[in-house]
Amino acid sequence: GIQVEQSPPDLILQEGANSTLRCNFSDSVNNLQWFHQNPWGQLINLFYIPSGTKQNGRLSATTVATERYSLLYISSSQTTDSGVYFCAVDADYGGSQGNLIFGKGTKLSVKP
Amino acid sequence: DTGVSQDPRHKITKRGQNVTFRCDPISEHNRLYWYRQTLGQGPEFLTYFQNEAQLEKSRLLSDRFSAERPKGSFSTLEIQRTEQGDSAMYLCASSQPSAQETQYFGPGTRLLVL
Repeated sequence: GIQVEQSPPDLILQEGANSTLRCNFSDSVNNLQWFHQNPWGQLINLFYIPSGTKQNGRLSATTVATERYSLLYISSSQTTDSGVYFCAVDADYGGSQGNLIFGKGTKLSVKP
Repeated sequence: DTGVSQDPRHKITKRGQNVTFRCDPISEHNRLYWYRQTLGQGPEFLTYFQNEAQLEKSRLLSDRFSAERPKGSFSTLEIQRTEQGDSAMYLCASSQPSAQETQYFGPGTRLLVL
């Protein structure tokens, strides 16, 4: 099956710093989502981005489908950005039912 | 719309007991997914419904796990004869088939088996 690898596994930032999180996937996809899991366990949708670039406030994401990676950019980080960031994909092959395959996540800690 | 809801939010049970969790999807969504998340890992897909039909259940972890969505609205996930290894967060998600299908997750049910 498709493999999803995220890097780095852990990231510590000072408030105000910028960061880039990476997601590599091993096969073509028809769905790629970025999530933020807050300390209470809630998964919050950030982007649906199987290809191209999107921006939402201080966050932006780029997926280069031909090279099988996606990047999540966080600018001017805030303590509320702390948590675990997950990349999840749905493989693009016949019979796929839309279930997402998650990476192991990047744990981000933003210090004041 | 209040999003995906799950009940209970926390469950503590003794080994060998049965537990049942409920998920209410976003009202217009006809697809519903169950995932399990253990500590330090990403969510792992368990099963999937489109309306009341369970279209994928081969990923359910054992025959002790079962799920239903009898009227195509809410769903239940049951674990029989719980084991300590079943301790995890159980997440439900829903989506509406579209060209940009996005899954929305509930807050999860955290299960602890003693």
